[in-house]
Amino acid sequence: SQQGEEDPQALSIQEGENATMNCSYKTSINNLQWYRQNSGRGLVHLILIRSNEREKHSGRLRVTLDTSKKSSSLLITASRAADTASYFCATDGSNFGNEKLTFGTGTRLTIIP
Amino acid sequence: DTAVSQTPKYLVTQMGNDKSIKCEQNLGHDTMYWYKQDSKKFLKIMFSYNNKELIINETVPNRFSPKSPDKAHLNLHINSLELGDSAVYFCASSHSRLAVNEQFFGPGTRLTVL
Repeated sequence: SQQGEEDPQALSIQEGENATMNCSYKTSINNLQWYRQNSGRGLVHLILIRSNEREKHSGRLRVTLDTSKKSSSLLITASRAADTASYFCATDGSNFGNEKLTFGTGTRLTIIP
Repeated sequence: DTAVSQTPKYLVTQMGNDKSIKCEQNLGHDTMYWYKQDSKKFLKIMFSYNNKELIINETVPNRFSPKSPDKAHLNLHINSLELGDSAVYFCASSHSRLAVNEQFFGPGTRLTVL
């Protein structure tokens, strides 16, 4: 079964606006990571947040984690055309062991110039 | 200086054939993975090797056989290809077997079975 589900499945915004994507998961986790996938390419790691952290920043990225709600959000501020990609959350946790990442279904983000 | 490379990038073949995909990483990582991404972009792990030892083997048909000749290489051989095997296959590597580590992905191999 899928561990993570991203919401929305697709999102289109104007360049310069902020983009928010959400990830929900079913079981307890140790860590949650976000990855980006440009069309026709492999995934690229963006940021990791541990289960004891609530918020993390990296450049224009802000990630939050709410373990009580089993959800995470990825905020991209001041979006650029180059941010157009699919974004995936990935979790590892006690139900899956600490050696396997389980990926969500992804949000396809389109930035309109 | 590509970190994780895969060959071929595209593979088109007939049902019933046998094919292989090769993966190499030059990052000095101990752990390598094979993932399958379907047409809906859902990414699922298939296998993981740590220092040439198989550590994750998901419920994958035994037509799929990974081989790791050394820790820098992980190949995937598929026998008797079926239509449902059509997907993009990604190789990845990480520093160690713990899932907390960042994974580095190859560019993918798009397999089309006719």
